[in-house]
Amino acid sequence: AQTVTQSQPEMSVQEAETVTLSCTYDTSESNYYLFWYKQPPSRQMILVIRQEAYKQQNATENRFSVNFQKAAKSFSLKISDSQLGDTAMYFCAFMRRGSQGNLIFGKGTKLSVKP
Amino acid sequence: DTAVSQTPKYLVTQMGNDKSIKCEQNLGHDTMYWYKQDSKKFLKIMFSYNNKELIINETVPNRFSPKSPDKAHLNLHINSLELGDSAVYFCASSQVRGDSPLHFGNGTRLTVT
Repeated sequence: AQTVTQSQPEMSVQEAETVTLSCTYDTSESNYYLFWYKQPPSRQMILVIRQEAYKQQNATENRFSVNFQKAAKSFSLKISDSQLGDTAMYFCAFMRRGSQGNLIFGKGTKLSVKP
Repeated sequence: DTAVSQTPKYLVTQMGNDKSIKCEQNLGHDTMYWYKQDSKKFLKIMFSYNNKELIINETVPNRFSPKSPDKAHLNLHINSLELGDSAVYFCASSQVRGDSPLHFGNGTRLTVT
């Protein structure tokens, strides 16, 4: 069975600084996808970024980028130039290819961006 | 132009009651899901429907029954509600393609008293 671990329950960062959220996963699968979802206080689940395991290049979406280390089974999220609106719970998620949307989530990291 | 909408947003009810949560998506997706987020914010899949057919049914009590009248709708019926059912329930949808990300609704906070 796959597991996803987020070792930082809470983090804080000053506005405009950079922060990295950690995620590790355990799987014996070779074809899978990894995601970061953001859940602000409004409760909505918002896709931040995704990574296909077969791609070596790290995914980037504006201020958000990942450091995907397949051998180490690590998938960290870097937020550059942090903004107050980045304050949220961040969930790392794993999905085996062909699992029809069965996302395995980590327990989340609560990020607070301070002015 | 909401992509995945679910109603109600909040639901407060007493133990033993039966309730339903409705979900609709206008993205033209083939697959819809129900996820449960517990009090510790942990998210876990409950059901997955593809073109009105159940394809994933995780270990949930059979008091929970999903109903899909068409591929744009997936409702969740809960019978004989218990205190432990209190949680946030998220509907989501995606294309059948393996790498298609899930689009979530805004969640329904269910409180059982």
